Amino acid sequence: AQSVSQHNHHVILSEAASLELGCNYSYGGTVNLFWYVQYPGQHLQLLLKYFSGDPLVKGIKGFEAEFIKSKFSFNLRKPSVQWSDTAEYFCAVLLNSGYALNFGKGTSLLVTP
Amino acid sequence: DGGITQSPKYLFRKEGQNVTLSCEQNLNHDAMYWYRQDPGQGLRLIYYSQIVNDFQKGDIAEGYSVSREKKESFPLTVTSAQKNPTAFYLCASSILGDSPLHFGNGTRLTVT
Repeated sequence: AQSVSQHNHHVILSEAASLELGCNYSYGGTVNLFWYVQYPGQHLQLLLKYFSGDPLVKGIKGFEAEFIKSKFSFNLRKPSVQWSDTAEYFCAVLLNSGYALNFGKGTSLLVTP
Repeated sequence: DGGITQSPKYLFRKEGQNVTLSCEQNLNHDAMYWYRQDPGQGLRLIYYSQIVNDFQKGDIAEGYSVSREKKESFPLTVTSAQKNPTAFYLCASSILGDSPLHFGNGTRLTVT
């Protein structure tokens, strides 16, 4: 079955640590890739997206993600996390032939002071 | 300000009752979506609509119904046939196709 997998369900980091959240998808065709973030008590917001071109995508708040087609991956990274990055992060995939996003199960990130 | 309004924020119902969740957008987006969010499950697609008077089932449409009589409105009815209706429901919209989704603040439905 086609799916989006996020490897880590819960991540705890200290401030200033580096972050990498894994995302893999199993679709064979052309895809558009997204990372969304949900801060506590807030609605889902787009963090960054990849449609085509440079596989290294920069988003808001210092986040970036790299699309590696051969690995079907779109991992999210940030060199130095802050307490305010505590949130739930969702990877999502849109098939070129599709009309709605398919989401991973999410990764809950807790950044401790 | 443009955005998506979901109401109410919290909703309580007795088992066996149908309940309708409201979703309104003033972004002039063509496409609208309903997702259900459960802890550890991520977001699962219930229904989506690309144009007025047309909608498609998502991955977990059983026990739900929708309508799209106006571009700006996409209400979701949770029927008594939905076996596990207690959840957080998110409405979203987009221009179409591959454009990013804009989400509402969600409605938390509790059925007892």
